[in-house]
Amino acid sequence: DAEITQSPRHKIIETGRQVTLACHQTWNHNNMFWYRQDLGHGLRLIHYSYGVHDTNKGEVSDGYSVSRSNTEDLPLTLESAASSQTSVYFCASSESGRGGETQYFGPGTRLLVL
Amino acid sequence: QQQVKQSPQSLIVQKGGISIINCAYENTAFDYFPWYQQFPGKGPALLIAIRPDVSEKKEGRFTISFNKSAKQFSLHIMDSQPGDSATYFCAASRGTYKYIFGTGTRLKVLA
Repeated sequence: DAEITQSPRHKIIETGRQVTLACHQTWNHNNMFWYRQDLGHGLRLIHYSYGVHDTNKGEVSDGYSVSRSNTEDLPLTLESAASSQTSVYFCASSESGRGGETQYFGPGTRLLVL
Repeated sequence: QQQVKQSPQSLIVQKGGISIINCAYENTAFDYFPWYQQFPGKGPALLIAIRPDVSEKKEGRFTISFNKSAKQFSLHIMDSQPGDSATYFCAASRGTYKYIFGTGTRLKVLA
């Protein structure tokens, strides 16, 4: 069955360190998204991609970067982690179409920055 | 104008009761309104969605009511069950693949 996976599922890092969160989907979807989930803020879009070599900033992109070298993967990098980036991170993917296609979410990565 | 405002933040309902969660938006260009359900420790999953050309959509015990003139839409869960206890997110999309999500409602259904 097609799926979307994230790794690691839990991570603790020190302030100032770089960390990369992996997202891999086997749906062959063109569209991929990274969100962070925080209490009181819901799901906020960090970055998204509509295809290989395409990346776009979301509403909370400062301090994060992504690259898309193939269809299956969209890794999210925190260049110099800050305590404000402690959160649960979700990756999602969707197929291309008329717009508003279902987004399929991964299980999430819980990140703690100390 | 890009926001989707969701209420209430939390909701407690007795088993068998009706759960109602409301969302409001400003941008009249939004053309797709999904609801996502999230269980603890899991990623959100699509529950039900509606486009603005209809005023209501029903799937089992779940119904979306859509009021285009008021720029509001709501999720109704009939005969609520303890297994419905989860966090619910409304969202809106404007002709693209991006969503704007509401802040979420934590529903607890008492047995």
